[in-house]
Amino acid sequence: AQSVTQPDIHITVSEGASLELRCNYSYGATPYLFWYVQSPGQGLQLLLKYFSGDTLVQGIKGFEAEFKRSQSSFNLRKPSVHWSDAAEYFCAVGAEAGNNRKLIWGLGTSLAVNP
Amino acid sequence: GAVVSQHPSWVICKSGTSVKIECRSLDFQATTMFWYRQFPKQSLMLMATSNEGSKATYEQGVEKDKFLINHASLTLSTLTVTSAHPEDSSFYICSARDRAGAYLADTQYFGPGTRLTVL
Repeated sequence: AQSVTQPDIHITVSEGASLELRCNYSYGATPYLFWYVQSPGQGLQLLLKYFSGDTLVQGIKGFEAEFKRSQSSFNLRKPSVHWSDAAEYFCAVGAEAGNNRKLIWGLGTSLAVNP
Repeated sequence: GAVVSQHPSWVICKSGTSVKIECRSLDFQATTMFWYRQFPKQSLMLMATSNEGSKATYEQGVEKDKFLINHASLTLSTLTVTSAHPEDSSFYICSARDRAGAYLADTQYFGPGTRLTVL
């Protein structure tokens, strides 16, 4: 069955430090992979997505993610975290289900940023 | 960019009453809309997928008679929680995609969510 695992429930980093959020997926075919960020009072915002081509994907707000098929991973990275990056981060894989197409979501990683 | 709004942002109702939540795509035509439910500190649970002008497709375990979804126009979908009970209290989020039956690579644009509390 399709699934997404985000091993880290909560991460705290210092402002200016580098960040890596882990995401592992289980999907039989070539996956479509997404990272979304959820800030309080705001809707989920797409950071980046991968569906083919270059396995290193650049997104908004200075984020990037690398698709590694051999590891079934799509980890999100940022070289220098800003206080405004504190939020909930969700990894998702796009999946076909009969005539439907939907996203399978990870449980999310809550990011706290220390000043 | 594409904007999706939800109304109301929060609602409190008495047990046994019905509550309607609206989801609107403000600057694009949303041929497909999704309704999610999110519990505190948990991920999004897809409730149903709706395409404009057709019946919604509900996920397994979601009661279609309790969670009525109407996608009557290309910019509006509504979720009505009928005969609400305290266990229906949750955060409901809608999203919209602007191409029906299209590629998985299409982006979903999310509304800010509606907090429902049933007393």
